[in-house]
Amino acid sequence: EAGVVQSPRYKIIEKKQPVAFWCNPISGHNTLYWYLQNLGQGPELLIRYENEEAVDDSQLPKDRFSAERLKGVDSTLKIQPAELGDSAVYLCASSSLATETQYFGPGTRLLVL
Amino acid sequence: GNSVTQMEGPVTLSEEAFLTINCTYTATGYPSLFWYVQYPGEGLQLLLKATKADDKGSNKGFEATYRKETTSFHLEKGSVQVSDSAVYFCALNAGGTSYGKLTFGQGTILTVHP
Repeated sequence: EAGVVQSPRYKIIEKKQPVAFWCNPISGHNTLYWYLQNLGQGPELLIRYENEEAVDDSQLPKDRFSAERLKGVDSTLKIQPAELGDSAVYLCASSSLATETQYFGPGTRLLVL
Repeated sequence: GNSVTQMEGPVTLSEEAFLTINCTYTATGYPSLFWYVQYPGEGLQLLLKATKADDKGSNKGFEATYRKETTSFHLEKGSVQVSDSAVYFCALNAGGTSYGKLTFGQGTILTVHP
């Protein structure tokens, strides 16, 4: 069974540029999460989807961050414009309704110059 | 609010040594507790979990017991290997209105030398 797929794995951009991250969850997983992991810290939840609906986006900085999960499968997280402080690893995870265990992708490492 | 505190690292051990990584938590209600491991260049992998008080999670020789009286979930392994070198994260899912949101500790770097 394929795991959570994320792309790109690495991204380097200049500040004020836009950037987008893509995630494909494990097949059949209804719930999808985006987490932010700063260096030396544990991940922090940005947004949680149940199918197409964002059920918890309270930690998402909505002035520059946006996310979508059209058709309730894969998802895109966007930053526009990026700031130096956005340099971090962006993790995607998914889970099924039958279990609370979250399965994580490898992450996208973003560097903003 | 909910929070997880892990012992500060890094932790450096020789192969076959005993490992303990302390984890304590603050949460309302009855959270589920998890240990995740992150190997270099890889995503987080679930190592073990426990969903109620006195439950013991175990996997790959690692164990942790959910202690509600001390709000702890310490990770232990009797004999570590070089391949156990990784970052270990303790996490909780508080449930209720926070269901689905994992709250993580800051992580503990473990290095095992031959």
